[in-house]
Amino acid sequence: EVQLLESGGGLVQPGGSLRLSCAASRFTFSNYAMSWVRQAPGKGLEWVSGVSGSGGSTNYVDSVKGRFTISRDNSKNTLYLQMNSLRVEDTAIYYCAKDVSYGPPLGIDYWGQGTLVTVSS
Amino acid sequence: NFMLTQPHSVSESPGKTVTISCTRSSGSIASNYVQWYQQRPGSSPTTVIYEDKQRPSGVPDRFSGSIDSSSNSASLTISGLKTEDEADYFCQSYDDSNLWVFGGGTKLTVL
Repeated sequence: EVQLLESGGGLVQPGGSLRLSCAASRFTFSNYAMSWVRQAPGKGLEWVSGVSGSGGSTNYVDSVKGRFTISRDNSKNTLYLQMNSLRVEDTAIYYCAKDVSYGPPLGIDYWGQGTLVTVSS
Repeated sequence: NFMLTQPHSVSESPGKTVTISCTRSSGSIASNYVQWYQQRPGSSPTTVIYEDKQRPSGVPDRFSGSIDSSSNSASLTISGLKTEDEADYFCQSYDDSNLWVFGGGTKLTVL
């Protein structure tokens, strides 16, 4: 079964940076788009960013544009999310997710267990 | 961009059938695939329906998805309700720029 293992979460001060990683296994990583989805405490799901299977196409929710960068290393089967200029409102569990398609991300079929990012002074 | 509106909560008895709606505010619901995710308390989400009506392997056929263009909505139907189906359910779709939208979620209570 598909495995997605996130890491890199933690406590950071406003204005700080974090880099999330997601190690993927048990599927051909390069054949699928990937996304990051977050969930603030007690709230619903919010899509953050997605990347195509090749890494050549990326998309972001408006609130993180210019601050977050999604990338992937297909040789290492790993997805990344570089988060800069973090704000209190970025506090959430961040989920790595495998897409059903190769091209632009359309929808998720597998989710990771999530990593908690807390932005606080 | 558009919004996806779900009922805040629904409840039904074990063994019965429940339907959760997801209404798209603008643009056609049929233009872009709809997915449905289940999140049990304290757990990560899982996918129960993708591409409007497809079930991932391992998801029982008690779960089904449909699209209704007349009401511009998608629906998730769960038949033969079990207590283990009690969870939050989220619909999701995307626009023509591939920007995603999630519904606000529906809390299903099985009592």
